[in-house]
Amino acid sequence: GQSLEQPSEVTAVEGAIVQINCTYQTSGFYGLSWYQQHDGGAPTFLSYNALDGLEETGRFSSFLSRSDSYGYLLLQELQMKDSASYFCAVRAPSGTYKYIFGTGTRLKVLA
Amino acid sequence: GAGVSQTPSNKVTEKGKYVELRCDPISGHTALYWYRQSLGQGPEFLIYFQGTGAADDSGLPNDRFFAVRPEGSVSTLKIQRTERGDSAVYLCASSALAGGENEQFFGPGTRLTVL
Repeated sequence: GQSLEQPSEVTAVEGAIVQINCTYQTSGFYGLSWYQQHDGGAPTFLSYNALDGLEETGRFSSFLSRSDSYGYLLLQELQMKDSASYFCAVRAPSGTYKYIFGTGTRLKVLA
Repeated sequence: GAGVSQTPSNKVTEKGKYVELRCDPISGHTALYWYRQSLGQGPEFLIYFQGTGAADDSGLPNDRFFAVRPEGSVSTLKIQRTERGDSAVYLCASSALAGGENEQFFGPGTRLTVL
């Protein structure tokens, strides 16, 4: 089967840097995506890594190591508005279009 | 441009009733997903449409759940004989390309409560 593991909660202060880890187990792999979801809101896409390495988009970066089945989301210069849940997600193996989300990491940014 | 819209935003029904949830994807998006999300959990895949056809319905929990997308745009998720355990937020997402690795655009969801 497929599974993704993330820490349930992370707390940091404004201006800090935080890393949210995701380890996955899949029998096939297309890439790792990250989504942000504010309370009561819809998930919004942040990034997608198909290849090993770091992808940077503004204050957010995402990293993937396929050999370690591991990725992380790095948030820099934290702002209060970054308080949200963050989900990593993968597509299930070849032949299906099932998309699997982790249980999410709740990030609390403190003033 | 307009994003993904879902109606109704809230639906309260009684156990055993039938409900329909509607999703209007972004115009031109051929890929459409339905998920459901319980409190504190990630979205749970239900079904994927590519155009008019359900390319993957492996996430539908049982035969009480059914979804259609007759003209390749609007989709309706139908739940028969609702049960209290069906209570959740039902999310719809669309994407320009097949597969899902590219960006999925989510609607605001329909919060279903089964009493």
